Amino acid sequence: GQSLEQPSEVTAVEGAIVQINCTYQTSGFYGLSWYQQHDGGAPTFLSYNALDGLEETGRFSSFLSRSDSYGYLLLQELQMKDSASYFCAVRDRGYGQNFVFGPGTRLSVLP
Amino acid sequence: GAVVSQHPSWVICKSGTSVKIECRSLDFQATTMFWYRQFPKQSLMLMATSNEGSKATYEQGVEKDKFLINHASLTLSTLTVTSAHPEDSSFYICSASVQSHRGKVGYTFGSGTRLTVV
Repeated sequence: GQSLEQPSEVTAVEGAIVQINCTYQTSGFYGLSWYQQHDGGAPTFLSYNALDGLEETGRFSSFLSRSDSYGYLLLQELQMKDSASYFCAVRDRGYGQNFVFGPGTRLSVLP
Repeated sequence: GAVVSQHPSWVICKSGTSVKIECRSLDFQATTMFWYRQFPKQSLMLMATSNEGSKATYEQGVEKDKFLINHASLTLSTLTVTSAHPEDSSFYICSASVQSHRGKVGYTFGSGTRLTVV
């Protein structure tokens, strides 16, 4: 089976940097994705890592270590609009094209 | 970019009635569509995988006779909640996998449908 763990809540102030960790267990790993979801909205795709290392997209970066079954999402220069839930999702070879989602991390950005 | 249009965005129905939710891929062909359900403050739970021209694959614990999925074309998948009950009230989201020219794989989601059964 698959399981993912994320912190349930993270709080930071505007302008700060925050890291949201994700550890996973899968039977066959393809890749790790991150999604942002604002209250009442649908998830939006942020990043996908299939290989070890850091991927940077603007203020957001995502890191993967396959040997450690671990990844993180790094958000820099936090803005109030970044307050949302963030989900990591694993693409598991045994699960076809589908992703299995983590429980989500609620990020609150304070002024 | 790839867009999935989902409607209605919200619906209120009486207990015992049926509700149909549609998802259309607007600028690409989605041979596979995924249907999720999300309860408040919880993660997305996969209900079923919808394949164009064939029967959907349901996750364990999801009643296939209650949640009817049809994927008759490469651009349209529908989810019908039959004989809805208050416990079916939830946020239903469809999505399709997309792959960029760089080989990156992600999901594009519909905007979601908030179903309230009264």
